[in-house]
Amino acid sequence: DGGITQSPKYLFRKEGQNVTLSCEQNLNHDAMYWYRQDPGQGLRLIYYSQIVNDFQKGDIAEGYSVSREKKESFPLTVTSAQKNPTAFYLCATTPRTGHTEAFFGQGTRLTVV
Amino acid sequence: RKEVEQDPGPFNVPEGATVAFNCTYSNSASQSFFWYRQDCRKEPKLLMSVYSSGNEDGRFTAQLNRASQYISLLIRDSKLSDSATYLCVVSAGGSYIPTFGRGTSLIVHP
Repeated sequence: DGGITQSPKYLFRKEGQNVTLSCEQNLNHDAMYWYRQDPGQGLRLIYYSQIVNDFQKGDIAEGYSVSREKKESFPLTVTSAQKNPTAFYLCATTPRTGHTEAFFGQGTRLTVV
Repeated sequence: RKEVEQDPGPFNVPEGATVAFNCTYSNSASQSFFWYRQDCRKEPKLLMSVYSSGNEDGRFTAQLNRASQYISLLIRDSKLSDSATYLCVVSAGGSYIPTFGRGTSLIVHP
C-alpha cells in the first residue's frame, strides 16, 4: 500500500542527546515536510524539501537538522540545541505541483526524560 | 498577524445541532484550501477540499470567500463521532507549502 511511515511511534530522549526521527514514503511525492505540534496548538513547519538534495528552513528550524539524500526519505534530527523538544512530530508529503492535499504519517511522540 | 487563524473553541453542541467554523487567511495569493480532522493524539486526515464554488459532502459543506479571505465549514446533524479538532489548511501558489491554523475543537454531547 502507498503511504508514509514514521518511526518510532514513541521516543524518549535524555537531556543533551541527539535523536533522529525517520520518515519514509512510497507515494512518489516530490515534497516532504516536518511539522511540530504542541498540545492545543496547530502544526508549525520545521523544515521542508521539494526536491532531492535540497531543503529549506521553516518557521521553527533552530535546533533541528534534516537531509534528503533519497526521494523516499526525509529524516529529522532533533539536536541538543533544541531546548524544548517534547512534542508530537508529523511528517507530510505533497506532489510538487498541483492543488492537492498533504498526506501524513502517523507521527512520532518525543518526550525528554 | 498569523497566516491562518481559527477560533480554538471548544464548540460544545448537542447531537443533531448545526455548527459552523470559520478560518481567515492573510496571504491573498493562497490558492489551495482544505479542512482536516484530527482526533486526539492522531495525525490529521483530510476531511474535504474547498473549492471556489463551494462544495458539499454529506453533512459537511465548505465555502470559500476570496474577497474577505476566509473559508468556512458547516456541519449539519452533528454526531457524537464528529467530536474532534478541525484544522484549516491553506497553501499559496508556487511553493504549495501547507500552512495550518491552530484548529477548532468540537465536542458533540448526547
